[in-house]
Amino acid sequence: GQNIDQPTEMTATEGAIVQINCTYQTSGFNGLFWYQQHAGEAPTFLSYNVLDGLEEKGRFSSFLSRSKGYSYLLLKELQMKDSASYLCAQRDDYKLSFGAGTTVTVRA
Amino acid sequence: KAGVTQTPRYLIKTRGQQVTLSCSPISGHRSVSWYQQTPGQGLQFLFEYFSETQRNKGNFPGRFSGRQFSNSRSEMNVSTLELGDSALYLCASSISGQGATGELFFGEGSRLTVL
Repeated sequence: GQNIDQPTEMTATEGAIVQINCTYQTSGFNGLFWYQQHAGEAPTFLSYNVLDGLEEKGRFSSFLSRSKGYSYLLLKELQMKDSASYLCAQRDDYKLSFGAGTTVTVRA
Repeated sequence: KAGVTQTPRYLIKTRGQQVTLSCSPISGHRSVSWYQQTPGQGLQFLFEYFSETQRNKGNFPGRFSGRQFSNSRSEMNVSTLELGDSALYLCASSISGQGATGELFFGEGSRLTVL
């Protein structure tokens, strides 16, 4: 399977910015996804990158560098409700492979 | 539009038993994928069904099986349960499958505890 690495935990203050990095294997790469999962809830789609560059969606942005096998999710103007697990997922020809997730804790 | 529905939400079984989990996808979605989620391991792909056919399968033993019905509802079965099977089992639906669009819509999962 694909080897996807992301940090286990991150903590930030309300109103701050946090960047969650994700590295993946470039072989068979066909798209990079970010999902958000609140405790006890279903993962929900945040963003999708297939070409190099930055995709911005409100307070959330996602970046991809295919040559480096690297992506990040940028969360700006953090709010308490952003406390959740953020899952990086790589798509190959037929499935999504997920990283273990990064738990972000937002403190007042 | 109703989301992905999974039943039961919680269940407790003992080693050696078997379990069947159910998933109803979003109306119009023909692909159903199953994932196992455990702390530290993340989501591990079990299998994907599309139009009643298993299209892809992850690296799980044969004790894990599934099927899909003509109305796209899917079930997965785990036989001879082991303690390590304790996990959250997530079902995800998509219109045409993971390879085509990638965006998956997840259910809230079935949390299985094996004692």
